[in-house]
Amino acid sequence: DARVTQTPRHKVTEMGQEVTMRCQPILGHNTVFWYRQTMMQGLELLAYFRNRAPLDDSGMPKDRFSAEMPDATLATLKIQPSEPRDSAVYFCASGLNPGRGQETQYFGPGTRLLVL
Amino acid sequence: AQSVTQLGSHVSVSEGALVLLRCNYSSSVPPYLFWYVQYPNQGLQLLLKYTTGATLVKGINGFEAEFKKSETSFHLTKPSAHMSDAAEYFCAVRPGGTSYGKLTFGQGTILTVHP
Repeated sequence: DARVTQTPRHKVTEMGQEVTMRCQPILGHNTVFWYRQTMMQGLELLAYFRNRAPLDDSGMPKDRFSAEMPDATLATLKIQPSEPRDSAVYFCASGLNPGRGQETQYFGPGTRLLVL
Repeated sequence: AQSVTQLGSHVSVSEGALVLLRCNYSSSVPPYLFWYVQYPNQGLQLLLKYTTGATLVKGINGFEAEFKKSETSFHLTKPSAHMSDAAEYFCAVRPGGTSYGKLTFGQGTILTVHP
């Protein structure tokens, strides 16, 4: 049963610290999405990769957030320095060939981040 | 640009009653539409999707939705609610006919099912 995996599942850190979240997309999927979920803003797209190249990161605060795909099996989202307003659940999702009938995005279980 | 409005942040029904969760969208191009469900402390799971073809789509767990272009709606229904349906439901839209996969989500509707 192929699944998107995310680590860590929970993270508590202090303001100013660096946070790195990792995602392993489903093997063979060529698109990866990072979403942030908060009570106030709901689900927001932060970054969108296809074939490891960033297609859209307009939803991501550039001054402190960065997203990369070092290889096809790993996507990372970093926050440096972290702030209390970054507290949220961060979801990774992967998919295959949008626009060619493969529309489904498969979501990971999320990383619950609390910045004190 | 796309947007999604889910009418009602909370919906409460009795077990066995009809479930109706409302979703209206705005899109400058023909849309692809999705419903996702999120159980507590879990990620989102696809319930059903409309891309092209038949406007009434059936999904998992007995849910279905109908794409109504004239009403710009994609409401989710289930004839008989089950306790296990209690969750948060998200409607989402993306541009149809393109390879651009970005989804725009609604704010979500929390479904409560009473015994």
